[in-house]
Amino acid sequence: EVQLLESGGGLVQPGGSLRLSCAASGFTFRNYDMSWVRQAPGKGLEWVSAISVGGVRTYYADSVKGRFTISRDNSKNMLYLQMDSLRVEDTALYYCVKEEVNGEMATIGFDYWGQGTLGTVSS
Amino acid sequence: QSALTQPASVSGSPGQSITISCTGTSSDIGSYNFVSWYQQHPGKAPKFMIYEVSKRPSGVSNRFSGSKSGNTASLTISGLQTDDEADYYCCSYAGGSRHWLFGGGTKLTVL
Repeated sequence: EVQLLESGGGLVQPGGSLRLSCAASGFTFRNYDMSWVRQAPGKGLEWVSAISVGGVRTYYADSVKGRFTISRDNSKNMLYLQMDSLRVEDTALYYCVKEEVNGEMATIGFDYWGQGTLGTVSS
Repeated sequence: QSALTQPASVSGSPGQSITISCTGTSSDIGSYNFVSWYQQHPGKAPKFMIYEVSKRPSGVSNRFSGSKSGNTASLTISGLQTDDEADYYCCSYAGGSRHWLFGGGTKLTVL
């Protein structure tokens, strides 16, 4: 059974930092690209960042580029999101998400989601 | 890049069919067949319902179907059941730096 367990959320002041972690199990973690998707309270979903299987290629939404850093440790089956220079508008439930691929190794969607970890940015 | 456009709410009675639209642009939905749909019950994580416009993951009921025409994708749910009451989100690949766009979400009420 695929499991994604996020941790690291909490309350931080504007300008502060948080480091989110995601422990993956139930699948061969090193074979899949991974993403973070967030959801502000009462709002919709927003893709935040993605990382390739080996961690070499990383991608970011314009809203977080230059402030967030995604990384992974395949030896530990762990995904991370370092969030710096946080803003009030970054307040959200952050989901760790596994990407599914088709036969051509193209991402076709997000097939497994964790339960999320809440990051709150407030003074 | 702006989110994809979905109606805020739709409703239907048990047994009926409903369709949720998702409108993008020629740079996202219009250019790629990587459209997916997600169901989210209150307090729960989203669930993967449709991928590549119209394909269903294993275990998803065939009452759920997807389609696309031009810059607009659609999710149709037939034979509505009370458990279908949830928020539904569309998602499309948007190219460039491999950005993914979500719709604003549609709240489905089963009357």
